[in-house]
Amino acid sequence: DVKVTQSSRYLVKRTGEKVFLECVQDMDHENMFWYRQDPGLGLRLIYFSYDVKMKEKGDIPEGYSVSREKKERFSLILESASTNQTSMYLCASSLLTAPYEQYFGPGTRLTVT
Amino acid sequence: AQSVSQHNHHVILSEAASLELGCNYSYGGTVNLFWYVQYPGQHLQLLLKYFSGDPLVKGIKGFEAEFIKSKFSFNLRKPSVQWSDTAEYFCAVNIYNQGGKLIFGQGTELSVKP
Repeated sequence: DVKVTQSSRYLVKRTGEKVFLECVQDMDHENMFWYRQDPGLGLRLIYFSYDVKMKEKGDIPEGYSVSREKKERFSLILESASTNQTSMYLCASSLLTAPYEQYFGPGTRLTVT
Repeated sequence: AQSVSQHNHHVILSEAASLELGCNYSYGGTVNLFWYVQYPGQHLQLLLKYFSGDPLVKGIKGFEAEFIKSKFSFNLRKPSVQWSDTAEYFCAVNIYNQGGKLIFGQGTELSVKP
């Protein structure tokens, strides 16, 4: 079974803090993704990575950065958290070949106060 | 830009009713199609996928979906829903030759009354 784990289920941070969200997958997948999930907006792609040290911007990269130093680990960084970044953050992984089925982690609910 | 549209934001059904959730996408070329489900408090999991071949795809828990290329649609169906089907359902599209990204719809919340 593919397993994608995320470092925290719930996180509360203050405005201006630097926030790290970590994701680990155990299936040797090349692709990894970070989404945010907001009611009525579905899942929106923040960043993705198709290889170690490689990253590409998704639809809403502003205010976020990522790091992929090892194949199994993909980190999302909020350099200076703001209240409008309060959301559910989902990590996913997939193979580099079609059909690109993605496997998701349990999510991190981040609240910025 | 390509997009995915789910027409129903919230659907309320009684147990044993039939279900059809709409999904349309805006791309004329080759696509891979997915339906994911998120049960309350759980992570997203794959219900079914279309990659190639028979446009009628069967998934887990009695769900099926039909890919109609001429209508750019991939509607999800279940003949008789159960209370345990209460969840949020997401349609997603992968555009051929654009790598592994998925474009998700807005989601449809399904509530099944016992």
